[in-house]
Amino acid sequence: EAGVTQFPSHSVIEKGQTVTLRCDPISGHDNLYWYRRVMGKEIKFLLHFVKESKQDESGMPNNRFLAERTGGTYSTLKVQPAELEDSGVYFCASSQEVSRRGELFFGEGSRLTVL
Amino acid sequence: AQKVTQAQTEISVVEKEDVTLDCVYETRDTTYYLFWYKQPPSGELVFLIRRNSFDEQNEISGRYSWNFQKSTSSFNFTITASQVVDSAVYFCALSVRYGQNFVFGPGTRLSVLP
Repeated sequence: EAGVTQFPSHSVIEKGQTVTLRCDPISGHDNLYWYRRVMGKEIKFLLHFVKESKQDESGMPNNRFLAERTGGTYSTLKVQPAELEDSGVYFCASSQEVSRRGELFFGEGSRLTVL
Repeated sequence: AQKVTQAQTEISVVEKEDVTLDCVYETRDTTYYLFWYKQPPSGELVFLIRRNSFDEQNEISGRYSWNFQKSTSSFNFTITASQVVDSAVYFCALSVRYGQNFVFGPGTRLSVLP
């Protein structure tokens, strides 16, 4: 079974540009999450989708960040315009509606560098 | 609000030594879930264990063991007879809703030297 896949693995852009990160969850997982870890800080929750609906977006830092999950499958996270402080690793995770172990399955992350 | 503290930023041990990674959490919720994840060099976060707040039984899985103590709000992780492959960053996490919206600690980088 394929795990959570994220693309790109690393993106380098200049301040003011736009970047779109993509996450493909494990097939059949209705719950999809975005987290990020900026340099030297903890991994922080950004938002949670249940299928195509945003269940909780309380962690989104500002309106430069837009997450979508059209059709309830893959998700994209767009940063527009990117700022220096957006640099970090963006993790996507997914889980089943009811996971026996309560775990989230994480991808390898997308590293974003804003110059 | 919830908080997870991992006081050890980095630990280095020699292979075959035992090592304990500390995790202290804060929450006002009476029901919560604690997790440990491992982040190897490849980057993904790999699930290791979940503990419910109502289950203080300690757990052992091979060389790994976990000590959950509600009285001290701690959920420590011990690796016995460490191996080089254990080298990774280890994260402790807390969730007050089953399997959702984790609060992570800052992580402990473990280096096991041959």
